[in-house]
Amino acid sequence: DAGVTQSPTHLIKTRGQQVTLRCSPKSGHDTVSWYQQALGQGPQFIFQYYEEEERQRGNFPDRFSGHQFPNYSSELNVNALLLGDSALYLCASSFQGDPEPQHFGDGTRLSIL
Amino acid sequence: ELKVEQNPLFLSMQEGKNYTIYCNYSTTSDRLYWYRQDPGKSLESLFVLLSNGAVKQEGRLMASLDTKARLSTLHITAAVHDLSATYFCAVDITGNQFYFGTGTSLTVIP
Repeated sequence: DAGVTQSPTHLIKTRGQQVTLRCSPKSGHDTVSWYQQALGQGPQFIFQYYEEEERQRGNFPDRFSGHQFPNYSSELNVNALLLGDSALYLCASSFQGDPEPQHFGDGTRLSIL
Repeated sequence: ELKVEQNPLFLSMQEGKNYTIYCNYSTTSDRLYWYRQDPGKSLESLFVLLSNGAVKQEGRLMASLDTKARLSTLHITAAVHDLSATYFCAVDITGNQFYFGTGTSLTVIP
């Protein structure tokens, strides 16, 4: 049973570019959440997708957007990249309403030059 | 805005010793989670605490939750080197939206 998978593993971009990160949830899960983890910090909630809609959003600008597909997989898009967007981006999946913990992927390490 | 604070931020302890990590949060919640993160790795779920007074134990780790005090603790008993990692608590107040603490970096010294 595959867990949460994310791609790519690493990515290097320059300021002003756009990036798309991908996530496949754990089998049986229908909800995907995205987090940004800067070096030495705890993960910060970006947004959550359920039933192909953004359900909740953290304190992130509109440059951060996402999508969820009918198969529950998800994408995170970031436009007009800034140096401060350099971080580990984590995807977590869960079953909506289930109090069991979210399952996290290994993340995408994004570096902005 | 919900704040989740952990202390200490850094903890260096000798093998065999006991210690407690504290997690304080600023709003009502009865769902608290503990995760472990090894360097360069993702987060691994350790404990789920879903009610006031909940206590969970796994090996040398024991977690508890006091919702009235808005406090959770992670107690380490007779530490071993394999426990070296960063530990995060996370509070869920809306359902599946986790607010993470600052993390506690634990180093166990032989």
